[in-house]
Amino acid sequence: SQQGEEDPQALSIQEGENATMNCSYKTSINNLQWYRQNSGRGLVHLILIRSNEREKHSGRLRVTLDTSKKSSSLLITASRAADTASYFCATERHKLIFGTGTRLQVFP
Amino acid sequence: SQTIHQWPATLVQPVGSPLSLECTVEGTSNPNLYWYRQAAGRGLQLLFYSVGIGQISSEVPQNLSASRPQDRQFILSSKKLLLSDSGFYLCAWSHRGPDNSPLHFGNGTRLTVT
Repeated sequence: SQQGEEDPQALSIQEGENATMNCSYKTSINNLQWYRQNSGRGLVHLILIRSNEREKHSGRLRVTLDTSKKSSSLLITASRAADTASYFCATERHKLIFGTGTRLQVFP
Repeated sequence: SQTIHQWPATLVQPVGSPLSLECTVEGTSNPNLYWYRQAAGRGLQLLFYSVGIGQISSEVPQNLSASRPQDRQFILSSKKLLLSDSGFYLCAWSHRGPDNSPLHFGNGTRLTVT
């Protein structure tokens, strides 16, 4: 299966701390994407990193991709209570396959 | 700008009843369309995707079917619901073309089969 698996499954931190979530996958990919989901809502695309890229930034988000290890990480710096959500990685080769997500709780 | 509408937001249906969930996209043409299901606290499972009118690909054998009667309309149906059909159903679209196109999701339908 190409499905990504996020680690940890759940993460609780205080506002201002950094949050790091990891994603591992099994087969070669064209790109890897990270999405955010607030409780009971649809997913929102955060960032896409192509297989020939190693690192990408978007605001307080930093994504890395290591294709040799088939893994990616999402770092949220200076977290806020509003960052509380579930975060999913999704890998694309011919179609997009989602992982099971990391539930992030940021306490004020 | 592009928008995606999905309804209803919540639905409670008895076992054996039919189902019809509708999704429409505005502000774009020829989108790829997708139906995903999310079990409680789990990831997303791709159910169907469509690259054009009348073109439906099914990812998993199941009690559901999908149709695309118009370019920007995607419908998820069942003739007889099962308890196991309960879940959170998400419609999504992406631009057609080569890879690297992110998905844009609707707000989902919470289906409870009783």
